[in-house]
Amino acid sequence: DQQVKQNSPSLSVQEGRISILNCDYTNSMFDYFLWYKKYPAEGPTFLISISSIKDKNEDGRFTVFLNKSAKHLSLHIVPSQPGDSAVYFCAASEWAYDKVIFGPGTSLSVIP
Amino acid sequence: EPEVTQTPSHQVTQMGQEVILRCVPISNHLYFYWYRQILGQKVEFLVSFYNNEISEKSEIFDDQFSVERPDGSNFTLKIRSTKLEDSAMYFCASSEGRQGYEQYFGPGTRLTVT
Repeated sequence: DQQVKQNSPSLSVQEGRISILNCDYTNSMFDYFLWYKKYPAEGPTFLISISSIKDKNEDGRFTVFLNKSAKHLSLHIVPSQPGDSAVYFCAASEWAYDKVIFGPGTSLSVIP
Repeated sequence: EPEVTQTPSHQVTQMGQEVILRCVPISNHLYFYWYRQILGQKVEFLVSFYNNEISEKSEIFDDQFSVERPDGSNFTLKIRSTKLEDSAMYFCASSEGRQGYEQYFGPGTRLTVT
């Protein structure tokens, strides 16, 4: 059941550059999308979200873009910092349900 | 900053034993959740809880699982008779509301069933 896909298991970026993490979804009923960051031995930490009525949401260094027609969203981190090194989960939910569906995650390494 | 806490951080149990995982959600949150992550797999929804009853549950959440909010602060997940395949990280989460509200996760309890 791959409703939320993150096709890149890992990504390496130089410090100061842009990190772009991608996510695709198959369920057209999803209307709320979230990005979580996870460090080893910790729980997922909420990063940023976007509802389906928007196509962009920005919070400091983090920007999420949503392309509903392509069922695609992306997270941009600018500039990337070594502390951003973590696993990033794309997640989505549907108005009718409580549950959040997580993607498999992308491991980001920011190289100093 | 308020946070979700979970105890214990690691629980080892024998197959067939009952375990109770404990969580203290953020105090003004009204919705509570349990998720699990089997090693190397995705984070999966188990159950949501609101107004002292289960709001939604997944197909994973069968009769061996139960949840309870025994007092005003704790939220527990009980696994009645553990199986080897129950070994996973179990995350508790809470949110202020349902749709459009972020779920805040605790650090997790690593359950190892031997």
